[in-house]
Amino acid sequence: KQEVTQIPAALSVPEGENLVLNCSFTDSAIYNLQWFRQDPGKGLTSLLLIQSSQREQTSGRLNASLDKSSGRSTLYIAASQPGDSATYLCAVIGDDMRFGAGTRLTVKP
Amino acid sequence: GAGVSQSPSNKVTEKGKDVELRCDPISGHTALYWYRQSLGQGLEFLIYFQGNSAPDKSGLPSDRFSAERTGGSVSTLTIQRTQQEDSAVYLCASSPRTALEAFFGQGTRLTVV
Repeated sequence: KQEVTQIPAALSVPEGENLVLNCSFTDSAIYNLQWFRQDPGKGLTSLLLIQSSQREQTSGRLNASLDKSSGRSTLYIAASQPGDSATYLCAVIGDDMRFGAGTRLTVKP
Repeated sequence: GAGVSQSPSNKVTEKGKDVELRCDPISGHTALYWYRQSLGQGLEFLIYFQGNSAPDKSGLPSDRFSAERTGGSVSTLTIQRTQQEDSAVYLCASSPRTALEAFFGQGTRLTVV
């Protein structure tokens, strides 16, 4: 069974900082990896999808990398803003889709 | 509709009653997932449908939980004889097929009193 771990569990930074969120998984036989954000009391919003043949994907201030062989992905957020405050979840997509517990990010003005 | 639709958005039920939660996936999406998210917790996988294949039920927590998907589209998650520990947000997602980008509904918040 795929196990997905996200570190750190929580992170608080001042506005403007660059930051890295980590996701690791135990079974490297995956198709894709997807990053989501979840605002309190809301559903999940897709941020980036990295296919297993790709090493990274970029959208605006977000950059996600994937190293399938080592079972790791990182989400890099540049020039963080208070509006980035949310819980960030990674989902590993193999025969099904399994989630980490998330990183709760707070960006202070 | 344009996105994944779940109904009801909120449900309060008495302990011991049965409930049905509905998910309308994006039209044409063959993969459909159900998850449960308890307060302050991550997403717990429940069940996964892909086309006409047998569903992956490995995440269902007990035999009180069941799900079906009619005509490869709408899915219903049924919880029988609800217990207080069933209180959570139930989330549904769909994707065009396995391994492609998944999209989530807004969830159904179930409260068992």
